Amino acid sequence: DGGITQSPKYLFRKEGQNVTLSCEQNLNHDAMYWYRQDPGQGLRLIYYSQIVNDFQKGDIAEGYSVSREKKESFPLTVTSAQKNPTAFYLCASSTRQGGRPLAPNYGYTFGSGTRLTVV
Amino acid sequence: DQQVKQNSPSLSVQEGRISILNCDYTNSMFDYFLWYKKYPAEGPTFLISISSIKDKNEDGRFTVFLNKSAKHLSLHIVPSQPGDSAVYFCAATAPLYNNNDMRFGAGTRLTVKP
Repeated sequence: DGGITQSPKYLFRKEGQNVTLSCEQNLNHDAMYWYRQDPGQGLRLIYYSQIVNDFQKGDIAEGYSVSREKKESFPLTVTSAQKNPTAFYLCASSTRQGGRPLAPNYGYTFGSGTRLTVV
Repeated sequence: DQQVKQNSPSLSVQEGRISILNCDYTNSMFDYFLWYKKYPAEGPTFLISISSIKDKNEDGRFTVFLNKSAKHLSLHIVPSQPGDSAVYFCAATAPLYNNNDMRFGAGTRLTVKP
């Protein structure tokens, strides 16, 4: 089955450490995204990538870094510069047909998320 | 800037009754709206969507209504079932966003009591 896989599901990090969250998709989607969810807030965009070897900052990119060396993979590194990293992180991917998003779900697929806790 | 707002953080309804979840937006360029359902520790799953050229879209127990003049949409669930208990996110997108597509509301936690 095609899908998007995030690992690990739970992650604990000591203050001052960098940690990398994995996101892999076998949907052949061009675009991939990282979102952060905090209680009482919507999903906020951290980084996105439209194509291999290219990525753009989202609304809250400070303290995070990404890479897109392969179409299938879009890992997110939470650096020690991120002041409040404890959150639920969601990866998503999307596709378009003829340049237009696909109805009805706009071609978006989400992973199951990683909960990061700083201890 | 919160361009998509869900002002009710929670909603509780009795099984069998109607659940109405509301969403407001500020960006008049939004032309496609989606509702996602999310269980704890899981990713959101797509529920239903509506294009700005329509004012209603129905899929089984779920109906989304769009009022463009008021910049408001709502999700109706009839009849509500205990399995519908989850957090519901409203999302919106606009052509200019290109691949930076979605803006999400803060979510409404729906509890359906047996």
